[in-house]
Amino acid sequence: NAGVTQTPKFQVLKTGQSMTLQCAQDMNHNSMYWYRQDPGMGLRLIYYSASEGTTDKGEVPNGYNVSRLNKREFSLRLESAAPSQTSVYFCASSGKTEKLAGGGNEQFFGPGTRLTVL
Amino acid sequence: EDQVTQSPEALRLQEGESSSLNCSYTVSGLRGLFWYRQDPGKGPEFLFTLYSAGEEKEKERLKATLTKKESFLHITAPKPEDSATYLCAVLGSYNFNKFYFGSGTKLNVKP
Repeated sequence: NAGVTQTPKFQVLKTGQSMTLQCAQDMNHNSMYWYRQDPGMGLRLIYYSASEGTTDKGEVPNGYNVSRLNKREFSLRLESAAPSQTSVYFCASSGKTEKLAGGGNEQFFGPGTRLTVL
Repeated sequence: EDQVTQSPEALRLQEGESSSLNCSYTVSGLRGLFWYRQDPGKGPEFLFTLYSAGEEKEKERLKATLTKKESFLHITAPKPEDSATYLCAVLGSYNFNKFYFGSGTKLNVKP
């Protein structure tokens, strides 16, 4: 049981290059998320997918696209990378999407991808 | 808008010196308040979920409490291995699937 896995772990891009960050979870969770983490700014939500087949914008979606390939996999694409996208990217998943009185909403995170755009 | 503020930004303790971290929040209809631990170069690791005011959760030297406006993470007799950044997040009723994170408290426990 690997939990949430992300590839690659590190990446260096030149301005204008494109790349896709991959994420997979084996916990049978419905919801998946992409965050970026920058010093002093905490985790900021880029996109999320409440269930297979749906995606929605988060707080900072500009410059990114996502694909929920199936229930397990959620990818993040940078079409034309910019230096402002230098960051650490985390994927997360959680087990519930409907409103609940309690239980099961916690997120589980992957190890992160450290991206540098020159 | 849902908002989370953590204080202090950084905290240095001697081994055995107990203290508390604060998480103040504003949310429409709290569905959960979450504490995470993050070690350098790693993803956040889930610690606790609190759902209603008055609730408490414990794990080893950590105890999380919740009021209507804030949560505390109490660290009793910390050890150097407790050194990490502690993150707080809330999930509200208005933005159904959006978790709002604070910027964290970096804890350093000296032997």
